[in-house]
Amino acid sequence: DQQVKQNSPSLSVQEGRISILNCDYTNSMFDYFLWYKKYPAEGPTFLISISSIKDKNEDGRFTVFLNKSAKHLSLHIVPSQPGDSAVYFCAASARGSTLGRLYFGRGTQLTVWP
Amino acid sequence: DVKVTQSSRYLVKRTGEKVFLECVQDMDHENMFWYRQDPGLGLRLIYFSYDVKMKEKGDIPEGYSVSREKKERFSLILESASTNQTSMYLCASTPVSPNTEAFFGQGTRLTVV
Repeated sequence: DQQVKQNSPSLSVQEGRISILNCDYTNSMFDYFLWYKKYPAEGPTFLISISSIKDKNEDGRFTVFLNKSAKHLSLHIVPSQPGDSAVYFCAASARGSTLGRLYFGRGTQLTVWP
Repeated sequence: DVKVTQSSRYLVKRTGEKVFLECVQDMDHENMFWYRQDPGLGLRLIYFSYDVKMKEKGDIPEGYSVSREKKERFSLILESASTNQTSMYLCASTPVSPNTEAFFGQGTRLTVV
């Protein structure tokens, strides 16, 4: 049973526009959320995270928004660039867990076209 | 920088072979993980370990085992490889602290023929 869901398997955006990737979760014990980016034949790389005590975290072109009441988070990329084309995974970890286990969504393939 | 290194980028093995995938991390992390990634299924946890000689099953442990004899090394073993184990295998590590990111290796693309 998927506790982290990414319902859009793909997203296509023109260069320079905003990309919005969405993620929903079901487990109310999750309190830390992360986004990873993955190119083909490479391991995922960490992009940005947010703690449940915040509702927004920004890092350059990347902003993550968290809506705890809706159990929803989103990643905004502005402006989008062709090099952003990759699979994006949403992940979550449970409150106070030191085991480091992350629960991943199924990913969204972002394609940024010129 | 944290480095997680997987021993092979690409492997081709025959059905029924015993396969070893090796992972080494250099940041003294306590926790280590093995995931597999398949199209449309995301990253699924096979096994993880929070200390030397300790292991826990993840969501899809069937057909796999693991070994952690040293803190920095975590091995995934396919006891008898089957074609449905053709996949991208990803190793990751984290320290013992809440709210931390996982660091991933470059992945091993395993094909079982």
